[in-house]
Amino acid sequence: DIVMTQSPDSLAVSLGERATINCKSSQSVVFSSSNGNYLAWYQQKPGQPPKVLIYRASTRESGVPDRFSGSGSGTDFTLTISSLQAEDVAVYYCQQYNSFPWTFGQGTKVEIK
Amino acid sequence: QVQLQESGPGLVKPSETLSLTCTVSGGSINGFYWSWIRQPPGKGLEWIGYIYYTGNTNYNPSLKSRVTISVDTSKDQFSLKLSSVTAADTAVYYCARGPRGQLVHFAYWGQGTLVTVSS
Repeated sequence: DIVMTQSPDSLAVSLGERATINCKSSQSVVFSSSNGNYLAWYQQKPGQPPKVLIYRASTRESGVPDRFSGSGSGTDFTLTISSLQAEDVAVYYCQQYNSFPWTFGQGTKVEIK
Repeated sequence: QVQLQESGPGLVKPSETLSLTCTVSGGSINGFYWSWIRQPPGKGLEWIGYIYYTGNTNYNPSLKSRVTISVDTSKDQFSLKLSSVTAADTAVYYCARGPRGQLVHFAYWGQGTLVTVSS
């Protein structure tokens, strides 16, 4: 199994400041036939299902604010919230869908400082 | 807009079989891969497995010996059975689907249903 490790486990950021979450996979998640990185980021608020923010490591899902961005390749990835808003308080998960079983990171809790 | 809704008993006794159904509305079950994912209270997400509308399945090896996922295209439903449950199977169970007929990220999720394993 590919192990997904996120850091930090939690972070507190002031409103309007940048939040950065890292995700490291134990193996490359590059899909060989397309050279795409099969890595997604999800946001989960209490009592709600996860919502996809980013897929293919850096493609923003339709309707997701542009303050959310994804970067990275191979085994190291980053989700950045450029200017934290109150509604961004949530737990964020990365997920690889390059090989089975699909696996998620342990989650990063983002709070307001 | 496709919508998914999980249903089934919220309480299951240890050693029994957990059974859940996901009903798809706003779109057809045909042409897509459909997954089950679970989340123990306060913990992270675990992919359980998927079924293609044709009936082909792929399960997480960690649960493979206890999991069966089936599909009923006539009802636009797919189901999860997890046998010999223990307290460790207590979780919110979600059904989910990708954005298109591909094995990619999860774009659509049900609201989830909490299943508690307890006598």
